[in-house]
Amino acid sequence: DGGITQSPKYLFRKEGQNVTLSCEQNLNHDAMYWYRQDPGQGLRLIYYSQIVNDFQKGDIAEGYSVSREKKESFPLTVTSAQKNPTAFYLCASTKGTGGKAFFGQGTRLTVV
Amino acid sequence: DQQVKQNSPSLSVQEGRISILNCDYTNSMFDYFLWYKKYPAEGPTFLISISSIKDKNEDGRFTVFLNKSAKHLSLHIVPSQPGDSAVYFCAASVGGSNYKLTFGKGTLLTVNP
Repeated sequence: DGGITQSPKYLFRKEGQNVTLSCEQNLNHDAMYWYRQDPGQGLRLIYYSQIVNDFQKGDIAEGYSVSREKKESFPLTVTSAQKNPTAFYLCASTKGTGGKAFFGQGTRLTVV
Repeated sequence: DQQVKQNSPSLSVQEGRISILNCDYTNSMFDYFLWYKKYPAEGPTFLISISSIKDKNEDGRFTVFLNKSAKHLSLHIVPSQPGDSAVYFCAASVGGSNYKLTFGKGTLLTVNP
């Protein structure tokens, strides 16, 4: 079955450490995105990539980095520069027009 | 600056009745609107969408209405079922940059048996 796989589902990080969240899709979608959800908040866009080897900052990119070396993969690194990294992270992808995004199951990151 | 607003954090309805979830937007460039449903600790799932050239779109129990002059859209669920209990997000995009969705904060719908 086609879909988006995020791993791990739960992740714990010590303060000052970088951590990378994985996102893989087999939908043959061109664009991929990372969103962050905090309690009582909507989804806020961190980074997005429309094609391989190209990506753009979203609304809250500070403290995060991404790469898009393959069409299927869009990993997100949460760096130590991110002041408040504890959140639920969602990866999504779209094929073309209309913005209909398919989401992964999410990764809950907790800084301890 | 919140471009997509869902002013009701929660809504409670009885099973079998109609659920109406509302969404307002401020960016007149938005031309495509979507509703997503989300259960706790899961990713959102697409529910229904509407293009700005339409004012209504139906899919089974779900109907979305768009009032462009008022910059308002609503999702109607009829009849409501307990399995509909979830957080509903309204989202919007601009056709020219259709890869970016702007989300509202969500409305928690509870359908009571």
